[in-house]
Amino acid sequence: DIQMTQSPSSLSASVGDRVTITCQASQDISNYLNWYQQKPGKAPKLLIYDASNLETGVPSRFSGSGSGTDFTFTISSLQPEDIATYYCQQYDNLPALTFGGGTKVEIK
Amino acid sequence: QVQLVQSGAEVKKPGASVKVSCKASGYTFTSYGISWVRQAPGQGLEWMGWISAYNGNTNYAQKLQGRVTMTTDTSTSTAYMELRSLRSDDTAVYYCARDVGVLWGQGTMVTVSS
Repeated sequence: DIQMTQSPSSLSASVGDRVTITCQASQDISNYLNWYQQKPGKAPKLLIYDASNLETGVPSRFSGSGSGTDFTFTISSLQPEDIATYYCQQYDNLPALTFGGGTKVEIK
Repeated sequence: QVQLVQSGAEVKKPGASVKVSCKASGYTFTSYGISWVRQAPGQGLEWMGWISAYNGNTNYAQKLQGRVTMTTDTSTSTAYMELRSLRSDDTAVYYCARDVGVLWGQGTMVTVSS
């Protein structure tokens, strides 16, 4: 099974800060990686697909990069409405999916 | 519009079964698979399995093999997830999602308690 290691598990940043989350796969997954945002009591929302493509309607301050085993998710300027937990997910091994452990983002 | 609507919250006793439904609308149901994902309180996302809405082929997470069954009813564009022999650690929000997760249902809370 493919394991996804996400870090950090939580972070606190100020409004306007640049925020970076990393996700490492246990084996090469090419670019078959999604990033999700989940707010309390809500279903996950897809932000980035194929590692670096912005889903329609998602603000451009969100971005993703990487391929193979190492991936990065960035919020270029943190906004109050970005408070949420973020998850990476691999889909190289379809139909099985694997999620990272999540990163809880808070405002300092 | 394109959406997945799930059935309501359930409370079950240990050892019982639960069946959660996920009704699709706004797209051709048989063109996509349905994944099921659960989230225990305060925890992360756990993939449970997948079913093809085209031919009913399934793939289940190894830890749930033997306790979970996923089915579809193409006449009503509805997917179902049944989990048997419920335990307290099955308490979670259960989500359906279209294929790898572009579209998600709203979630169904399943509580297992004596």
